[in-house]
Amino acid sequence: QSVLTQPPSVSGAPGQRVTISCTGSSSNIGAGYDVHWYQQLPGTAPKLLIYGNSNRPSGVPDRFSGSKSGTSASLAITGLQAEDEADYYCQSYDSSLGYVFGTGTKVTVL
Amino acid sequence: QLQLQESGPGLVKPSETLSLTCTVSGGSISSSSYYWGWIRQPPGKGLEWIGSIYYSGSTYYNPSLKSRVTISVDTSKNQFSLKLSSVTAADTAVYYCDVVSPENGAFDIWGQGTMVTVSS
Repeated sequence: QSVLTQPPSVSGAPGQRVTISCTGSSSNIGAGYDVHWYQQLPGTAPKLLIYGNSNRPSGVPDRFSGSKSGTSASLAITGLQAEDEADYYCQSYDSSLGYVFGTGTKVTVL
Repeated sequence: QLQLQESGPGLVKPSETLSLTCTVSGGSISSSSYYWGWIRQPPGKGLEWIGSIYYSGSTYYNPSLKSRVTISVDTSKNQFSLKLSSVTAADTAVYYCDVVSPENGAFDIWGQGTMVTVSS
């Protein structure tokens, strides 16, 4: 049972900007734990997209950016491309539950 | 660059124990400050952390699965394993082995995943 809440789906036309929210609580994001984001393309394992709230691993395009404030975090994709169509998950740590994931968001490129 | 590969039975009977192994290549499982662990994903659903083991041997489990889970390391084979007892259909999922890197604290590396179905 996910303790981090994400919208089930977001969509946008190629070139547009979309954002995905990740809402937690005082025992996870609000407690100061970092938020990480993963991209899961159909039929593949998740891939680390953003770590430490706003950092991109080597090779991740700068179209992807992350932020965190209070008990929430956000992932933004600017200049949306067809290859960005995937499921996206946020992840953090909870003082009672250990590592926790968001409910997941499906991004559709119109 | 570390690489992970899961292996184990794809079909387990209800009430039995699910056993999976993750083979590590590109580095030694005992020489780095990594957390080695397991995450699962039921068909069409989200990700669930199962548990992790520190290179020193300390284990950390999801409270909802703790009574049924054991994660261990075999340094001689450069592998770590998952055992999940008393399985039911709800344990049917793709199981991924993973690594939490000390550099970024995230699940940095994932195996390709292995599908396990619980059915008689």
